[in-house]
Amino acid sequence: AQSVTQLDSQVPVFEEAPVELRCNYSSSVSVYLFWYVQYPNQGLQLLLKYLSGSTLVESINGFEAEFNKSQTSFHLRKPSVHISDTAEYFCAVSVLSGGSYIPTFGRGTSLIVHP
Amino acid sequence: NAGVTQTPKFQVLKTGQSMTLQCAQDMNHNSMYWYRQDPGMGLRLIYYSASEGTTDKGEVPNGYNVSRLNKREFSLRLESAAPSQTSVYFCASSDPAGGIVDQPQHFGDGTRLSIL
Repeated sequence: AQSVTQLDSQVPVFEEAPVELRCNYSSSVSVYLFWYVQYPNQGLQLLLKYLSGSTLVESINGFEAEFNKSQTSFHLRKPSVHISDTAEYFCAVSVLSGGSYIPTFGRGTSLIVHP
Repeated sequence: NAGVTQTPKFQVLKTGQSMTLQCAQDMNHNSMYWYRQDPGMGLRLIYYSASEGTTDKGEVPNGYNVSRLNKREFSLRLESAAPSQTSVYFCASSDPAGGIVDQPQHFGDGTRLSIL
């Protein structure tokens, strides 16, 4: 069975500073990796995903994540955050099981951007 | 641009009562999911439906039942509500392009359920 560990429950940062949200997974088979963002009182939105190919994936709003197979990590980064990036971020992994890809979510990291 | 619609948005129940949470998507997606979100626990999969007419248990199915009524609708039923089922429930859908990866991509805004 796979599991996802988000190492920080809360990450405070000042506006325009860089940020890294850490995610590690455990699985003995090939995985697909995802980051979601959740704004207050809303559902989750898919931010970016790694399926295959280039290990560096980017979102349209400046976030990027790098798949590191040897370290079983998929950390999310942004070089300069905005107040509007304040939200809960979830890392997720999908592994093929019984003919379907079953997703598992991490417990989330709350990104708090201060002015 | 409705996407995934959940009803109701809020509900308070007494222990032992039953209710059905409704979910509908207008994107013609094959796969639908039900999750619960609890503080510090992330999202946990309750049930999913890979296609119309099929349902499968997820990580925490006990105390719940589901129905995939048609391609659009996927309902979650609590037959006898318990305080431990107090949570925020999310419905989601996806349509794996080329059958590659089945991962929820569109979420509803959630149903906040309190059981007293």
